[in-house]
Amino acid sequence: GAVVSQHPSWVICKSGTSVKIECRSLDFQATTMFWYRQFPKQSLMLMATSNEGSKATYEQGVEKDKFLINHASLTLSTLTVTSAHPEDSSFYICSARDALAGSSTDTQYFGPGTRLTVL
Amino acid sequence: AQSVAQPEDQVNVAEGNPLTVKCTYSVSGNPYLFWYVQYPNRGLQFLLKYITGDNLVKGSYGFEAEFNKSQTSFHLKKPSALVSDSALYFCAVRDDFNKFYFGSGTKLNVKP
Repeated sequence: GAVVSQHPSWVICKSGTSVKIECRSLDFQATTMFWYRQFPKQSLMLMATSNEGSKATYEQGVEKDKFLINHASLTLSTLTVTSAHPEDSSFYICSARDALAGSSTDTQYFGPGTRLTVL
Repeated sequence: AQSVAQPEDQVNVAEGNPLTVKCTYSVSGNPYLFWYVQYPNRGLQFLLKYITGDNLVKGSYGFEAEFNKSQTSFHLKKPSALVSDSALYFCAVRDDFNKFYFGSGTKLNVKP
């Protein structure tokens, strides 16, 4: 089946630094990827939709200058948390939709997540 | 606007007994409903989905869900629970732009 990977799986950084998280579709092309954030014992919250070759679409309340998204190829999207602070500590999960699937196909494939801890 | 509600934070069941994890939804337009399972520090794994057709949907690992339009529910069920089913379960609805909106999650505890 389709596989989505994330790198790194966990990262610890100092406050004020920037952290980049990669999301890759390993055996399919994804024109659209999604980034979610999950706080402990809470649900996933959609942060933004990453579109290959164009700007990301951010959900209300998500700072686009804080969470930079780049979708430079059909298999890679990156999320950069700029000037990270302890409140940015969270579990970040990406998902991808197969670009070659028909419009009726709706299954998204989720990555394993990246745990970010900001000290 | 799309939304889902999972009224139970936690469900406890004995191994071998049937289990039900509840989900209700609110959508504008046709409902595209999903169930995902999450194990600790892992991403989400797809269990099953309802798009159209039969109201009873069968999915992975023996799980099934019943779409009930009149009650706007999509409860997850399994006839006989396993200890290995213990995990966090999310109900989700997809909108026409392929965005997913997740419920708050239900922790399933299956005791031996």
